[in-house]
Amino acid sequence: AQTVTQSQPEMSVQEAETVTLSCTYDTSESDYYLFWYKQPPSRQMILVIRQEAYKQQNATENRFSVNFQKAAKSFSLKISDSQLGDAAMYFCAYTSAAGNKLTFGGGTRVLVKP
Amino acid sequence: GAGVSQSPSNKVTEKGKDVELRCDPISGHTALYWYRQSLGQGLEFLIYFQGNSAPDKSGLPSDRFSAERTGGSVSTLTIQRTQQEDSAVYLCASKLGGISSYNEQFFGPGTRLTVL
Repeated sequence: AQTVTQSQPEMSVQEAETVTLSCTYDTSESDYYLFWYKQPPSRQMILVIRQEAYKQQNATENRFSVNFQKAAKSFSLKISDSQLGDAAMYFCAYTSAAGNKLTFGGGTRVLVKP
Repeated sequence: GAGVSQSPSNKVTEKGKDVELRCDPISGHTALYWYRQSLGQGLEFLIYFQGNSAPDKSGLPSDRFSAERTGGSVSTLTIQRTQQEDSAVYLCASKLGGISSYNEQFFGPGTRLTVL
């Protein structure tokens, strides 16, 4: 069974600084997708960034970028120029190429200090 | 266009009562998922519908939980004889079916269920 692990329950960052969230996963499949979702207090899960496992190039979305290390089964998220609106729970998630379900990590709470 | 909607937003019930939670997916999305988010268990997959195929019920925690999807659109998650451990946020998500280059699931705002 696939598992996703986020080892940092909480991370704190100064506004305008950079923070990196860790995620590791375990799978025997070669084709899959990885995601980072943001969940603010409103509960609405918002997709931040996605990565297809067959792509070697790391995904970027504005201030968000990932470091995807397939061999190490690692998928970290870097938030640059942190803003107060980035404060939320961040979940790393995995799905197989068939996309039957998402397997989530335990989440990392990001606090942004003004 | 409209996103995934869920109702009610919050539900308080007494132990032993039955509850129904509703999900309206994004129009045209053929795949629909239910997840449960609780303090002790994190985010867990419950059930998955894809078109007219038999649903994947592998995540349902007990036979008190059931779900149906009518007309390939709206879905209802039913919990019978609710227990206090059923207290959680129930999230619904939908996705374009078939081979999708993004495989992205779009989530609703969830229903917070509290069992007293």
